[in-house]
Amino acid sequence: RKEVEQDPGPFNVPEGATVAFNCTYSNSASQSFFWYRQDCRKEPKLLMSVYSSGNEDGRFTAQLNRASQYISLLIRDSKLSDSATYLCVAKGTGRRALTFGSGTRLQVQP
Amino acid sequence: DAGVIQSPRHEVTEMGQEVTLRCKPISGHNSLFWYRQTMMRGLELLIYFNNNVPIDDSGMPEDRFSAKMPNASFSTLKIQPSEPRDSAVYFCASSLVRGYYEQYFGPGTRLTVT
Repeated sequence: RKEVEQDPGPFNVPEGATVAFNCTYSNSASQSFFWYRQDCRKEPKLLMSVYSSGNEDGRFTAQLNRASQYISLLIRDSKLSDSATYLCVAKGTGRRALTFGSGTRLQVQP
Repeated sequence: DAGVIQSPRHEVTEMGQEVTLRCKPISGHNSLFWYRQTMMRGLELLIYFNNNVPIDDSGMPEDRFSAKMPNASFSTLKIQPSEPRDSAVYFCASSLVRGYYEQYFGPGTRLTVT
């Protein structure tokens, strides 16, 4: 089983729609979680951290559910420019650095 | 400000040849990471350094792969001999040790081994 699992998609949504992605992690000791965004043929970039209490950054909301070991990303009022692959990331314990999920691809259509 | 710099951006080589990928981290960052990304396996951490010291190399696939960081501003990833299954995009990323979850990635090196 992969340490971080995501639905690869693609999620095809119209502009203005609300879309949500979930991600599950297997290591209950994982301490921190993040969402990165990767545009086609580009490098990943940090989108936002995920806090236990949930956090919001503009149209983006991230949630963490430790009991069920999943994190989510909600995008409201989708824009064409939101089209990208969204990578779920967990920080391991000790020397372990970040573990990236394989990504969920989002395509926002006009 | 310059971000993470990687070279070359594209590399095409024949099986059996030695390949050297280069990375210059962001000035002041003291953690450096090498990743490999393929469609099949996604983004995989190969190795990372803190203050030029390798911390976790458990992701290095086999002895054909080696990485060095001789100083704070330069790192190399070497594959010798290369094989077709090494074809991938190789990313270098850097961060501050304390906040190393916020990693800044370079543009990547697209490696094709024929």
